[in-house]
Amino acid sequence: AQSVTQLGSHVSVSEGALVLLRCNYSSSVPPYLFWYVQYPNQGLQLLLKYTSAATLVKGINGFEAEFKKSETSFHLTKPSAHMSDAAEYFCAVGAGSYQLTFGKGTKLSVIP
Amino acid sequence: NAGVTQTPKFQVLKTGQSMTLQCAQDMNHNSMYWYRQDPGMGLRLIYYSASEGTTDKGEVPNGYNVSRLNKREFSLRLESAAPSQTSVYFCASSEEIRGYGYTFGSGTRLTVV
Repeated sequence: AQSVTQLGSHVSVSEGALVLLRCNYSSSVPPYLFWYVQYPNQGLQLLLKYTSAATLVKGINGFEAEFKKSETSFHLTKPSAHMSDAAEYFCAVGAGSYQLTFGKGTKLSVIP
Repeated sequence: NAGVTQTPKFQVLKTGQSMTLQCAQDMNHNSMYWYRQDPGMGLRLIYYSASEGTTDKGEVPNGYNVSRLNKREFSLRLESAAPSQTSVYFCASSEEIRGYGYTFGSGTRLTVV
């Protein structure tokens, strides 16, 4: 069985501040991990994914995530928030099969 | 552009009416999915089709039916719409490869009054 927990349904940061969105997973086998972003009134777009190569994964728009097996975490970070980063972010895990389990999402607000 | 196409983008139904949401992908993916998204609930899987000719229930299948018409198309039908089915519906597709991920459509915003 696999599951994902995203800590914080809403996160607010100031423009230029560090963005940290938390994701913890549960998996009985080595997981594949994903972050998707959803801008208002749009579908979900792949931001980045971890597939057992490098533990630090770089994605689009300056985002990156680090896979930490000991902490069962895959937190998403960006050094400096931009207004255009305001969106909802979903973490997802694929473990025993190709099918994904999604977290409930974290809505990021960026304050000017 | 290659991807997942959903129609319609918006729909308003009266309680008891029926409708079909259409989804087509042109990436030759084997697997397709229907999700609904509601505030605070994240994405919930309604039905999925692992391959052409097969369909399976997801987390919230009640009130819905699906048809995998061919490898490209996967439709979702509401036989008798209810206000509780007001939601945003997303179709997605993937390959049957671990780590491949999903490609999503842009969604259908459905309101049942």
